[in-house]
Amino acid sequence: GENVGLHLPTLSVQEGDNSIINCAYSNSASDYFIWYKQESGKGPQFIIDIRSNMDKRQGQRVTVLLNKTVKHLSLQIAATQPGDSAVYFCAENTPGTYKYIFGTGTRLKVLA
Amino acid sequence: NAGVMQNPRHLVRRRGQEARLRCSPMKGHSHVYWYRQLPEEGLKFMVYLQKENIIDESGMPKERFSAEFPKEGPSILRIQQVVRGDSAAYFCASSPQIIDDTGELFFGEGSRLTVL
Repeated sequence: GENVGLHLPTLSVQEGDNSIINCAYSNSASDYFIWYKQESGKGPQFIIDIRSNMDKRQGQRVTVLLNKTVKHLSLQIAATQPGDSAVYFCAENTPGTYKYIFGTGTRLKVLA
Repeated sequence: NAGVMQNPRHLVRRRGQEARLRCSPMKGHSHVYWYRQLPEEGLKFMVYLQKENIIDESGMPKERFSAEFPKEGPSILRIQQVVRGDSAAYFCASSPQIIDDTGELFFGEGSRLTVL
């Protein structure tokens, strides 16, 4: 369901390492998923999306994995850079609805 | 800048006043969403509108909040008689159409409301 009043979990990684950010989505009927990046004081920016007929999709330095069996989504960032420091949200959309439901979010901190 | 434009970026109101937040979607987009974000939290859906129609307002509080997207002009989120709990960042997003090949929502930079 929608997040309620939780402090954001934080993932700290060394610059150059790979990052894996996880998300548990709520509705098994959801068929479209997006990862967004939100920098401090800014709006969410689209990173990558995936439809439920796929289990993996790759972009530039990013890969999204979808496991429908356990309703789990992950975002992998290769060779993490300082500019990747932000909060990352997954969002799901269910057919027949217009809402995009956002997950709790994870703060990624890149250590120099 | 052809992106989603929101104004004001920052708004301060005293309790009991009204707040009006405006959103101009990306050129060619006719679908607008409003989301609310409290500090250190995710985005919570409020309302989805098409031109002159409210499609889904299931996330809107029953009182004091209203939204419109007129045929001409920006979408407006209106909060009457603001209370301190209304302090938050309000984000607008637009899309060209529903659940299409992309389905991506394009977000604005948000309007940050502070209620004193």
